Amino acid sequence: DGGITQSPKYLFRKEGQNVTLSCEQNLNHDAMYWYRQDPGQGLRLIYYSQIVNDFQKGDIAEGYSVSREKKESFPLTVTSAQKNPTAFYLCASSDRGQEKLFFGSGTQLSVL
Amino acid sequence: QKEVEQDPGPLSVPEGAIVSLNCTYSNSAFQYFMWYRQYSRKGPELLMYTYSSGNKEDGRFTAQVDKSSKYISLFIRDSQPSDSATYLCAMSKAGNQFYFGTGTSLTVIP
Repeated sequence: DGGITQSPKYLFRKEGQNVTLSCEQNLNHDAMYWYRQDPGQGLRLIYYSQIVNDFQKGDIAEGYSVSREKKESFPLTVTSAQKNPTAFYLCASSDRGQEKLFFGSGTQLSVL
Repeated sequence: QKEVEQDPGPLSVPEGAIVSLNCTYSNSAFQYFMWYRQYSRKGPELLMYTYSSGNKEDGRFTAQVDKSSKYISLFIRDSQPSDSATYLCAMSKAGNQFYFGTGTSLTVIP
């Protein structure tokens, strides 16, 4: 089945620790995205990538980093510089020219 | 001013009612319009996708786009308890840049 796989489903971060959220897609989509979702605030764009080895900051990139070494993979690292990381993180992808966004099942990150 | 405005609700209706969900937007360059359904702590699921103005129907769901008023709607007929979720509107100009509403929480009471 084609889709977007996010792991883990739940993740806990200790203070000062970096953690990495995984996102893999087998839809052969060019573009991939990371969003943060907080209650009552909707989706906020963290980073996006339109092509391998290239990515751009979104609206709330501070304290986060990404890489895009393969077309199917777009991992997100939440660094210790992100002081309020507790949120639901969503990975998404789209095919160039289709203008439709497809989402993974999400990762809930909490601080210990 | 936000690019996309959506009433957060919550909206509560009896089973079988017709539900109307709405979004307004400010950027006339938007051409692609989407509605997503999101259950609690799950990823959003694409429900309806419309290009430019007009109506699109899929089963109990109808999406309407009025570009002259910068207004989009999602209608749910014969609503079911399983329709209880948060509904997100989204829109895009060309270039894979997406803009979202904050979501409307819907509860359908049996």
